[in-house]
Amino acid sequence: RKEVEQDPGPFNVPEGATVAFNCTYSNSASQSFFWYRQDCRKEPKLLMSVYSSGNEDGRFTAQLNRASQYISLLIRDSKLSDSATYLCVVKAGNTGTASKLTFGTGTRLQVTL
Amino acid sequence: ETGVTQTPRHLVMGMTNKKSLKCEQHLGHNAMYWYKQSAKKPLELMFVYSLEERVENNSVPSRFSPECPNSSHLFLHLHTLQPEDSALYLCASRKTGYGYTFGSGTRLTVV
Repeated sequence: RKEVEQDPGPFNVPEGATVAFNCTYSNSASQSFFWYRQDCRKEPKLLMSVYSSGNEDGRFTAQLNRASQYISLLIRDSKLSDSATYLCVVKAGNTGTASKLTFGTGTRLQVTL
Repeated sequence: ETGVTQTPRHLVMGMTNKKSLKCEQHLGHNAMYWYKQSAKKPLELMFVYSLEERVENNSVPSRFSPECPNSSHLFLHLHTLQPEDSALYLCASRKTGYGYTFGSGTRLTVV
């Protein structure tokens, strides 16, 4: 089983649509969770951290279910500029800067007119 | 620019060449990382330098050799690479308690 598993997509949605991505992780000791965004041929950039109580940043909502080891990202009112690959990222432990980030393969989103 | 600078942006090298990738950050971060991103695979952590202590990744072949002379600079020395080593090599840095900042990467092609 992969450490972090995502549906690779692509998800093709029209502008204005709501789209949700899911991610599962295998290490129950994982402590921190993130969504990164990676545009084509660019570096990953932090989109948002994921907190246990769920958190929202504008049109983006992240949820964490520790019991099911499941993370989600919801994008409302999709824009063309949201087209990118969304990486689910999990950090094992909380041992300072040496702690390891584990990345999913990413889910590709294409927003169309 | 993210504050983490990688050079070169693109590199084509033969299997017998020796080259080095460079990463530089002046963000005051105290850890630096090398990641490899191959097509259709997740980012793979290669090496971590945390407070100038290297964390080994035993799965990385010895043809990749990291060097961290100080907290602002990180190198990845490459020698006798294979075509399957062609990938995007990403450097990242981090300060304790904060998120990761990635460089733009070096796209490496081994011919």
